[in-house]
Amino acid sequence: QSALTQPRSVSGSPRQPVTISCTGTSSDVGFYDYVSWYQQHPGKAPKLMIYDVSKRPSEIPDRFSGSKSGNTASLTISGLQAEDEADYYCCSYAGSYTWIFGGGTKLTVL
Amino acid sequence: EVQLVESGGGLVQPGGSLRLSCAASGFTVSNNYMTWIRQAPGKGLEWVSTLYSSGNTYYADSVKGRFTISRDNSKNTLFLQMHSLRAEDTAVYYCARGNCSGSSCNPADYWGQGALVTVSS
Repeated sequence: QSALTQPRSVSGSPRQPVTISCTGTSSDVGFYDYVSWYQQHPGKAPKLMIYDVSKRPSEIPDRFSGSKSGNTASLTISGLQAEDEADYYCCSYAGSYTWIFGGGTKLTVL
Repeated sequence: EVQLVESGGGLVQPGGSLRLSCAASGFTVSNNYMTWIRQAPGKGLEWVSTLYSSGNTYYADSVKGRFTISRDNSKNTLFLQMHSLRAEDTAVYYCARGNCSGSSCNPADYWGQGALVTVSS
């Protein structure tokens, strides 16, 4: 079972939007609405940003949003801020009580 | 406040064993979906194992038959017993609380700080 496919890096300017994609298959991302996104700053534990494709934990700013179309999920950050610079990982339920992560995307705020 | 604190990491020789602990506070481990996720140095995240509140356990193929997830209800602690360790098991191991109920599910809404396991001779 291969990891979900994410771009290795994306970048954007402050206050601009950026989208990170996460491509899986019809057996994971395309079949289940259990896609989550995690933010990880260097040397820190990951933090849940989005779950169930598009739901946000209460403490996460509403400039973070998630969506899905077919086998591809997306995380959009509208209005980039300097503190958003981090690694981002998607994760999908893959059936049979297993989970699969993406390879991670490094977000750089220019 | 939900807190997860891992311990038990360290250096172990190939073929050796190690047990990780994850002490939880702010919630009851036995009532929750608990997960171990690892991250090799400079690499991405990998799901390792899940323990449901029911007691059912599940493992990634890469660790099946070598790792065992369990809990001690009296200590509100999650464990990961690792045997036959290989160099490719070298990683930071994170303990996480998941949240799966009804039509909602994610494997990790709260994470510990991680424990480094290094498998090397």
